[in-house]
Amino acid sequence: DADVTQTPRNRITKTGKRIMLECSQTKGHDRMYWYRQDPGLGLRLIYYSFDVKDINKGEISDGYSVSRQAQAKFSLSLESAIPNQTALYFCATRQGHEQFFGPGTRLTVL
Amino acid sequence: LAKTTQPISMDSYEGQEVNITCSHNNIATNDYITWYQQFPSQGPRFIIQGYKTKVTNEVASLFIPADRKSSTLSLPRVSLSDTAVYYCLVVPPSDQFYFGTGTSLTVIP
Repeated sequence: DADVTQTPRNRITKTGKRIMLECSQTKGHDRMYWYRQDPGLGLRLIYYSFDVKDINKGEISDGYSVSRQAQAKFSLSLESAIPNQTALYFCATRQGHEQFFGPGTRLTVL
Repeated sequence: LAKTTQPISMDSYEGQEVNITCSHNNIATNDYITWYQQFPSQGPRFIIQGYKTKVTNEVASLFIPADRKSSTLSLPRVSLSDTAVYYCLVVPPSDQFYFGTGTSLTVIP
């Protein structure tokens, strides 16, 4: 089984809809991250969390919110999706200087 | 926030050694340097990390000069399966990571 899992893997939604992307990990790491990747671009940090009580904004947090329900679960929400949020979203955990990435969620907002 | 600069793309023939250099001029004293590999539609995968001088593992080597303002990832004898995007990432204590756009490596038969 994968150590970092993301659901759903693919999602198509409409402008204005609320959507939640979920991330679970079995690695036991405290630090978790949400990134987005646009075609031809690198990864940009949206939010990160050191533990369930510590959540921080990243480079591009506007339009997103997160919830750290437990050490193992970190969810990303788009309250009102817009087309320019169409992207590939990755969740990651960290131990030391190494990050472990999930398989990604491909989100399309029409 | 230590931003990085890498070549956008590189080509190499199979069996050759490939060196990808990353510039990180404003690296701080406590920052580490890491490199990741990403295949299309997959999450990045950690390759190697270092603080200074040279680090080698079973996959790659990482060379860091004394001033630490750059680093070079060396892939020995590349194969077609090494075709991917390679990211240099400076890891600060603050977790404000900057991945940059990476280097797209194409290995030619």
